[in-house]
Amino acid sequence: AQRVTQPEKLLSVFKGAPVELKCNYSYSGSPELFWYVQYSRQRLQLLLRHISRESIKGFTADLNKGETSFHLKKPFAQEEDSAMYYCALSVSGTYKYIFGTGTRLKVLA
Amino acid sequence: SAVISQKPSRDICQRGTSLTIQCQVDSQVTMMFWYRQQPGQSLTLIATANQGSEATYESGFVIDKFPISRPNLTFSTLTVSNLSPEDSSIYLCSVEGERGVTDTQYFGPGTRLTVL
Repeated sequence: AQRVTQPEKLLSVFKGAPVELKCNYSYSGSPELFWYVQYSRQRLQLLLRHISRESIKGFTADLNKGETSFHLKKPFAQEEDSAMYYCALSVSGTYKYIFGTGTRLKVLA
Repeated sequence: SAVISQKPSRDICQRGTSLTIQCQVDSQVTMMFWYRQQPGQSLTLIATANQGSEATYESGFVIDKFPISRPNLTFSTLTVSNLSPEDSSIYLCSVEGERGVTDTQYFGPGTRLTVL
């Protein structure tokens, strides 16, 4: 079955602390994975995608096929990182997304 | 990236009525998608709407309940019919991103529907 799991509904960290938002997936093919972010009162927007191997706003995510994970990391959290984060998997060839349930990140001053 | 607008941004409807949500894109796109986000839950794909063909519905969603139009490459509507309180959700449209590179999607701001 195709599934994306984000085990934490809420993650609170202090400003300057490292952040890791967990994402695990179940997919029989070669996955394309994404992180989307939704800031308060804003629309859902793409943060990064594994295929680009990019770092956006200090966030990185590495695809680990052995552990079927795509965790989102940032070494030093900022207050403006507080938002809802969704991990998503694209079903190959269809443009369909399967979303995780999301993790709300709160960065405390 | 595409700029996507949705109308209305929110609405409160009575049970048994219908609501039509519009999605407008500032550029021509082949694929448009409609999602539902129920309170406290994740986004669930309702259907894929391609211009010039019938929408393709996901398991659990039917055309009679969620009729979709896609008259051109920049516009789509989703109607939620015969409303019940269980239909209270945020409805989002999205469009494909850069084709041939990766399956990126860009999302509209959403329509918050409350059914009384």
